[in-house]
Amino acid sequence: KNQVEQSPQSLIILEGKNCTLQCNYTVSPFSNLRWYKQDTGRGPVSLTIMTFSENTKSNGRYTATLDADTKQSSLHITASQLSDSASYICVVSVGGGGNKLTFGTGTQLKVEL
Amino acid sequence: GAVVSQHPSWVICKSGTSVKIECRSLDFQATTMFWYRQFPKQSLMLMATSNEGSKATYEQGVEKDKFLINHASLTLSTLTVTSAHPEDSSFYICSARHSGRIRTDTQYFGPGTRLTVL
Repeated sequence: KNQVEQSPQSLIILEGKNCTLQCNYTVSPFSNLRWYKQDTGRGPVSLTIMTFSENTKSNGRYTATLDADTKQSSLHITASQLSDSASYICVVSVGGGGNKLTFGTGTQLKVEL
Repeated sequence: GAVVSQHPSWVICKSGTSVKIECRSLDFQATTMFWYRQFPKQSLMLMATSNEGSKATYEQGVEKDKFLINHASLTLSTLTVTSAHPEDSSFYICSARHSGRIRTDTQYFGPGTRLTVL
């Protein structure tokens, strides 16, 4: 069964600190992996996308890594800001032309002063 | 670029009425759009895949007669919740697959529609 698990479930950090979110998946065949940021009451917004051959991708203060061998990904947020408070969702696309996305349950991040 | 809009952003209706939600790709064509439902503190759950000019494909457990989907053009898909009940209250999100970016299977999400059925 295709699954995406994220940890931690929730996280509180102080403004300016760094943090790392984890994603483990068992999706097969693998097509690509995305990290999304979802603000409360809003739709998800794409942060990064990585295919099988890519092991790191940056978007400003967000850096995602991918280890296709161990089927793990991480999202590192540098110098966090209050506006980073949101749910971060790891999404893995199933290959084979099915266009199916498997969503993680998300990590709820809260950045405090 | 690649903006997806939804209308309305929120709606409150009485039990038994029908509600239509629109999903539009504003600056690109989307032969395929997806409808998701998200309950509080849960992940997005795919309800159906909407293909322009053909019938939608529904996920297991989703009633096609209750959730009517129409994808009449390359930029518009609609979801109609018929005879809505309080248990249909949820956050409905659509996404549009960019026709020109099939290789990366890029989906762009709308901002969501909050449905509350009284």
